[in-house]
Amino acid sequence: AQRVTQPEKLLSVFKGAPVELKCNYSYSGSPELFWYVQYSRQRLQLLLRHISRESIKGFTADLNKGETSFHLKKPFAQEEDSAMYYCALSPTSGTYKYIFGTGTRLKVLA
Amino acid sequence: DTGVSQNPRHKITKRGQNVTFRCDPISEHNRLYWYRQTLGQGPEFLTYFQNEAQLEKSRLLSDRFSAERPKGSFSTLEIQRTEQGDSAMYLCASSLDPRLEQFFGPGTRLTVL
Repeated sequence: AQRVTQPEKLLSVFKGAPVELKCNYSYSGSPELFWYVQYSRQRLQLLLRHISRESIKGFTADLNKGETSFHLKKPFAQEEDSAMYYCALSPTSGTYKYIFGTGTRLKVLA
Repeated sequence: DTGVSQNPRHKITKRGQNVTFRCDPISEHNRLYWYRQTLGQGPEFLTYFQNEAQLEKSRLLSDRFSAERPKGSFSTLEIQRTEQGDSAMYLCASSLDPRLEQFFGPGTRLTVL
């Protein structure tokens, strides 16, 4: 079955510390993977997608097909990074069903 | 604001009543998704439209739920005979391509008493 797992519900780090938000997926093919972010009182929005291999707001994510992971990383956390982060998978065949993980709340402490 | 809009933003209803939500996607987006989100969970896929055609429905979408997208523009999601378990945030999103980002609306929060 297709699944996205985010094992941490809450991750607290101090400002300036490195951040890694974990995402593992289960999919038989080669999916499209995304990270979405929801800041307080704002709507869900795209942070980055693996096909563009870009860095947004200092965040990067590398797709590891061997480990079926797509962890989100940032070397130095900032207070404004505090938000809810969701990993998402878009299948590339057979279904249009987009699958989201349960999310990780990141708190960056001063 | 040219983003995705949803109305109403909040809806409180009594069990057994029918409710209808509306989503206006970004005008050039031909793909439209509905999701349900409950506390502590990520968005759960409900249904997908490409233009006016409903191409996929989740098994979560019981026969009390129906969605339409007439003329491939706005979409409505109706829940008949609401139950307390239907209380959730209902999200709408639109996109040009499933490989590209989805643009989300602010959601409609439904509370069933």
